[in-house]
Order: sequence, then C-alpha cells, then structure tokens
Amino acid sequence: QKEVEQNSGPLSVPEGAIASLNCTYSDRVSQSFFWYRQYSGKSPELIMSIYSNGDKEDGRFTAQLNKASQYVSLLIRDSQPSDSATYLCAVNRGDYKLSFGAGTTVTVRA
Amino acid sequence: DARVTQTPRHKVTEMGQEVTMRCQPILGHNTVFWYRQTMMQGLELLAYFRNRAPLDDSGMPKDRFSAEMPDATLATLKIQPSEPRDSAVYFCASGFGDIQYFGAGTRLSVL
Repeated sequence: QKEVEQNSGPLSVPEGAIASLNCTYSDRVSQSFFWYRQYSGKSPELIMSIYSNGDKEDGRFTAQLNKASQYVSLLIRDSQPSDSATYLCAVNRGDYKLSFGAGTTVTVRA
Repeated sequence: DARVTQTPRHKVTEMGQEVTMRCQPILGHNTVFWYRQTMMQGLELLAYFRNRAPLDDSGMPKDRFSAEMPDATLATLKIQPSEPRDSAVYFCASGFGDIQYFGAGTRLSVL
C-alpha cells in the first residue's frame, strides 16, 4: 500500500465548476497535510496546509481533513483555466519529512 | 522575493560522468531537502539536513549519490558515476517547520 494515494485523474472540469480532488494516507499518526500545485515543467508550489479535522478555506480553495478516515480533499471553486495543473497531496510522516502522492492532473475547459 | 535557487537548471551528461547540483536555500530556513521527480516514481525524498547536519539520506543510492551542506547558504548533491536511470528533475526545498518551498529544479539527462 502506498503511503499517499490520490485519485489518478486526469480530471476535466468546465470553467466555473467545482474541481474535487481526493487523497488518502496510510500512516494514522500523521498530523499535518499539504496540497501543492505544480504547473507543467515547474516546481511544486504550496497552496494549502491543514492540521485539524474539518474544513479550511483560502480564497477559492477549501481543504478538508478527516483523520479518522485518513482522508484529505481539496475543492477548487469557480475553476479557472489558470487552475489547470497537477495537484500533489503531501503528508508529514514525521520530523517534517513529506510523502507525496502521485498527483492528480486537472484541466479546466474554457 | 525570497526563493530557493538551484543551479544548473539543465544538465546533459554522458554515463559515467560526475554531476554536481547546487542549492541556495532561503535565508533563515534551517531545513534543506533534496527530492527527485520522475514520471514513474513521482516525487521522492532523497536526503535532508537541519542546521546543516544530515538527518536522513535513506532515499539515496548510497554507492553513487552524496549530499553535503558545506555552509548555511549552499547544499550540494553529487552523482558519481552517473547512469541513464538517474535522468530526472532534482528539486531542492528549504523550510522552517513543516512548510517547504521548492526551487525551480535541475533537469538532468544522462545519455
């Protein structure tokens, strides 16, 4: 079982719609969780961090965490063509070492 | 605008040659990470340092890879000898706490 698993995608959504990305992790003791966005040919860029169960909103992005189910999600509301990228879920596996999922590629259709 | 700086951005070399990649972390960050990204394996942690001390290099092939941090402004990753399977993008990231900022990466091609 991989440490971090994401829905494989690719995910295609029309402009203005909600994109929903899911991530599950295997280590029950993980305490901090991150979403990175990576444009093609570029480096990962942190867009959200979440530490507590529930929702965390930042602009058009909402991260959701459920530690009991070992599940993290990212919602992108009012999707824009500029949101087209690969989204990486990352889990802190101790001492700030991150394990990354394989990523979900999102395409927003104009 | 503080950023992690990596050099070179691109490197093409022949099998058997030594490759050195360099990273200047963001000033004030005490942790530096080296990652490798490939299509097949995704983003993998190779090694990391805190306050210049190596903490974990278990992700690196020991016989050919080495990572050092000679001072607070420079981290290096060396591959000797390089092999075609080392072709990948190598990222350096720095952070303080659990937030990491990535450099632009070094795209390595070993022929």
